[in-house]
Amino acid sequence: DAKTTQPPSMDCAEGRAANLPCNHSTISGNEYVYWYRQIHSQGPQYIIHGLKNNETNEMASLIITEDRKSSTLILPHATLRDTAVYYCIPINAGNNRKLIWGLGTSLAVNP
Amino acid sequence: NAGVMQNPRHLVRRRGQEARLRCSPMKGHSHVYWYRQLPEEGLKFMVYLQKENIIDESGMPKERFSAEFPKEGPSILRIQQVVRGDSAAYFCASSPPRGEGAIQYFGAGTRLSVL
Repeated sequence: DAKTTQPPSMDCAEGRAANLPCNHSTISGNEYVYWYRQIHSQGPQYIIHGLKNNETNEMASLIITEDRKSSTLILPHATLRDTAVYYCIPINAGNNRKLIWGLGTSLAVNP
Repeated sequence: NAGVMQNPRHLVRRRGQEARLRCSPMKGHSHVYWYRQLPEEGLKFMVYLQKENIIDESGMPKERFSAEFPKEGPSILRIQQVVRGDSAAYFCASSPPRGEGAIQYFGAGTRLSVL
């Protein structure tokens, strides 16, 4: 499994876009990038995933660089409820279903 | 459609007792995963089960811990002779039999405190 590097913490003003980077320079060709978050004292929550194309859903957008060595999760209009720890997880989603969690980025959305 | 249900939410045990944690997956999901989060640490994979089968238990401690997912009923994570170091939040997740297996739906967790 590819190793990831994420900044330990970030701040964002409410209503502004939150851009959370993740470096996964050792990712292999068949590994997707998955993003999860964990709000304090709750179970983790799936956000979005992608292979090489940019993706968007109702929660966020995912930008993956052309060489696939890094990606950015974008929360377009952060709210206080987006305060959480965000994890990027490269995974070959074919047969290997176990999620290997790094330290993530603790995002604080400030009023 | 109810989400993943874990019970109890909080469990207090004395050293040496047994702890049983239950997890009911989402309707239609036949894959269950257990993760542990020690205080001030990240999540760690423990075990991946399908109905009546253990698929991957590479994250399970070799002793005192066991997991099952019977044909009927919830998945059970069992910890025998608990020690203080077992105090943690235990999260269960489920996913459907087909589709994106890495999209997992998590329960609210069971917080185990060992006195």
